[in-house]
Amino acid sequence: AQSVTQLGSHVSVSEGALVLLRCNYSSSVPPYLFWYVQYPNQGLQLLLKYTSAATLVKGINGFEAEFKKSETSFHLTKPSAHMSDAAEYFCAVSEPGGYNKLIFGAGTRLAVHP
Amino acid sequence: DTAVSQTPKYLVTQMGNDKSIKCEQNLGHDTMYWYKQDSKKFLKIMFSYNNKELIINETVPNRFSPKSPDKAHLNLHINSLELGDSAVYFCASSQEGFNRVYGYTFGSGTRLTVV
Repeated sequence: AQSVTQLGSHVSVSEGALVLLRCNYSSSVPPYLFWYVQYPNQGLQLLLKYTSAATLVKGINGFEAEFKKSETSFHLTKPSAHMSDAAEYFCAVSEPGGYNKLIFGAGTRLAVHP
Repeated sequence: DTAVSQTPKYLVTQMGNDKSIKCEQNLGHDTMYWYKQDSKKFLKIMFSYNNKELIINETVPNRFSPKSPDKAHLNLHINSLELGDSAVYFCASSQEGFNRVYGYTFGSGTRLTVV
């Protein structure tokens, strides 16, 4: 069965610092992988997705993620944090074949301080 | 605006009541979903419909009944509400079909509080 583990429920960075949010997955087949962002009292917004094309995926708001099959990881990075990046981030996995069902990780809350 | 819209945004009700949450999408997507987000922010899929047909039905109490009158609408009816039903319920839609993946578009959520 597919699953997602997000290491670190809370991450705090300084404005301008590197953002690194970790995601490891478990899947019996090569998966599709996603990062979503949730701002307070809002729904989830798709940041980026990996669907077996390029392993380095660029998303919105300057975020990118790299699929590493050998490490079963899909970590999210941004070179320079902005105050507006403070939000909850969710990694999700789905298995190709059949109807898509997203399985979400527990989320990582990113705090950005001046 | 093209979007996934849910109503109501907030719902406070007493235990034992029956309530409905409505969801509509004008994105032309074929597939719609209901997710539950608990107090610890954990998201779990409940149901999914593709073109009005139920395709995913997770282990959800029978008190929860989805209804899809057409592919643009997916409503959630909950009978005999319990304290544990308190959560944020998200509707989502996608152009996903069999073996096709594009990503979900989420509504802004309905915060249900059972007292």
